[in-house]
Amino acid sequence: GDSVTQTEGLVTVTEGLPVKLNCTYQTTYLTIAFFWYVQYLNEAPQVLLKSSTDNKRTEHQGFHATLHKSSSSFHLQKSSAQLSDSALYYCALTPSNMGYKLTFGTGTSLLVDP
Amino acid sequence: NSKVIQTPRYLVKGQGQKAKMRCIPEKGHPVVFWYQQNKNNEFKFLINFQNQEVLQQIDMTEKRFSAECPSNSPCSLEIQSSEAGDSALYLCASSPRDRYAEQFFGPGTRLTVL
Repeated sequence: GDSVTQTEGLVTVTEGLPVKLNCTYQTTYLTIAFFWYVQYLNEAPQVLLKSSTDNKRTEHQGFHATLHKSSSSFHLQKSSAQLSDSALYYCALTPSNMGYKLTFGTGTSLLVDP
Repeated sequence: NSKVIQTPRYLVKGQGQKAKMRCIPEKGHPVVFWYQQNKNNEFKFLINFQNQEVLQQIDMTEKRFSAECPSNSPCSLEIQSSEAGDSALYLCASSPRDRYAEQFFGPGTRLTVL
């Protein structure tokens, strides 16, 4: 089956510094979509970024990610972390089949220190 | 912000009791998903529907869980005989039936089984 790996359980960064959250995957599907979801404390997960195109950078709210099928990766990056970025971040994939479930990684907790 | 409504927000049951939670998907979204988020914040897919029909479900769901999405009524997820290991946040999500459609999550029902 599909799997998504997020190697860091916790990432701590100082405000203003760059941050990178890693995401790699394994899938047997040829056409897939990837998402980064963010979950703030006691809130619902919400989509931060979405991509289905190889080697195309996607950006939203200062975050960016590029799907690299050659390395099976979809890392999340931001050039300058903000205190408000502190949250849980999940990488997830789904095949192009309509209505198919998401496969989530185990999540990375991002803590931004002042 | 997501318009998926979940009730109740908190549910406390004794072992062996039934636990039932409801979800109203976002208007116009025919696909509904249920996920379980455990105390380690890991997501587990349970079941999904398109309109009233089941698309996918896992084995656990078949045995002790029942779910339905009747026409013109909220979707529901019911645990027939709650176990301590069922204590988790149950998240409902809905999506359009499009390729690569993102899923919009509700705030969840937090179930505690004593």
